[in-house]
Amino acid sequence: AQSVTQLGSHVSVSEGALVLLRCNYSSSVPPYLFWYVQYPNQGLQLLLKYTTGATLVKGINGFEAEFKKSETSFHLTKPSAHMSDAAEYFCAVILYSGYSTLTFGKGTMLLVSP
Amino acid sequence: NAGVTQTPKFRVLKTGQSMTLLCAQDMNHEYMYWYRQDPGMGLRLIHYSVGEGTTAKGEVPDGYNVSRLKKQNFLLGLESAAPSQTSVYFCASRDRSSSYNEQFFGPGTRLTVL
Repeated sequence: AQSVTQLGSHVSVSEGALVLLRCNYSSSVPPYLFWYVQYPNQGLQLLLKYTTGATLVKGINGFEAEFKKSETSFHLTKPSAHMSDAAEYFCAVILYSGYSTLTFGKGTMLLVSP
Repeated sequence: NAGVTQTPKFRVLKTGQSMTLLCAQDMNHEYMYWYRQDPGMGLRLIHYSVGEGTTAKGEVPDGYNVSRLKKQNFLLGLESAAPSQTSVYFCASRDRSSSYNEQFFGPGTRLTVL
């Protein structure tokens, strides 16, 4: 079975501070990993994904994530938070499966204060 | 292109009533998915379809039925709505060419069952 754990349902940072959102997965095989962002009253938008190859993945809006197999982690970071980054962030995983059903974490709400 | 659209955007039902949610995509995607989003639960897969005329159960299929009569449309039905089905429903689609391709999400349908 696969699962995704996001540590912290809410994370608060000041504008300009480092953003770190944590994601750990459990899987018996190397998974595909995703981060999605959801702005208020909108659908989900893909930030970045890890499939194979380079373990440091860069996404949109200055976000990046590093796949660490030994730690079964895929944490999301951004060096300097902007007010516009306030949203809910979801980590998701799929196994090497033809149908690619996504399993989502419970989400982390990022709050950015001036 | 409109991408993924969902109809209606909002709906209030009484317990026992039925309704159908419509998802439409204009990207010629083979795979389509229905999720529900509840506070603190992330997104959970209800049903999915890998092609016209085919459907499969996800993590939380009970109380829902689906149909994929046309490639571009994926319908989610509630035969007898219950308060536990109060949720935000998201549809998504993706191209079949690779299992790690991005899923594109619709804007959601907010359903309240009284």
